[in-house]
Amino acid sequence: NAGVTQTPKFQVLKTGQSMTLQCAQDMNHNSMYWYRQDPGMGLRLIYYSASEGTTDKGEVPNGYNVSRLNKREFSLRLESAAPSQTSVYFCASSEGSGTQLEKLFFGSGTQLSVL
Amino acid sequence: RKEVEQDPGPFNVPEGATVAFNCTYSNSASQSFFWYRQDCRKEPKLLMSVYSSGNEDGRFTAQLNRASQYISLLIRDSKLSDSATYLCVVNLSWGSQGNLIFGKGTKLSVKP
Repeated sequence: NAGVTQTPKFQVLKTGQSMTLQCAQDMNHNSMYWYRQDPGMGLRLIYYSASEGTTDKGEVPNGYNVSRLNKREFSLRLESAAPSQTSVYFCASSEGSGTQLEKLFFGSGTQLSVL
Repeated sequence: RKEVEQDPGPFNVPEGATVAFNCTYSNSASQSFFWYRQDCRKEPKLLMSVYSSGNEDGRFTAQLNRASQYISLLIRDSKLSDSATYLCVVNLSWGSQGNLIFGKGTKLSVKP
């Protein structure tokens, strides 16, 4: 069982370049999330999707866009990368209802550096 | 933003020791509480939920004090494998995925 798979694991971009981080889950979860983790900061929510067809902004959405392509896949796009977006990005999923709402399953992360 | 605060540590303890972490939260309306564990350079994983009555899972005990707005995690008989960063997570509102707040984490290092 793969769980949550995100690609790539590492990426180096130049300022102004664009890229898409891919995420897929095979647990039939309704909800999916994108977080970023920076040194000295807690995980911060960028965007989430409570169910297929819906997306909502989290705490730090500026500079990002997302697409919930289907129930399995949730991608994060940086249209014009900036050095402030250097971070570790985690995709996560959860059942999204009841007591399983907050039981998040995370992907292994993407280390992104913007030069 | 100091909605969820944790002592960053590191807590350096010998094997077999008992260690406790606290986490304070600022929003009294917070609904649910969790501890996640994150190994170095790895993804966070749910360790346990925290219930009002307190709950135990093997060597781990979690407690909630709503009056003082803190949750705690107690680890008994520490193992080398317990070395990790422990993240306190608070959900500000019931039934909403967008309101999970992660603390910065407390680092634990268990030494032989």
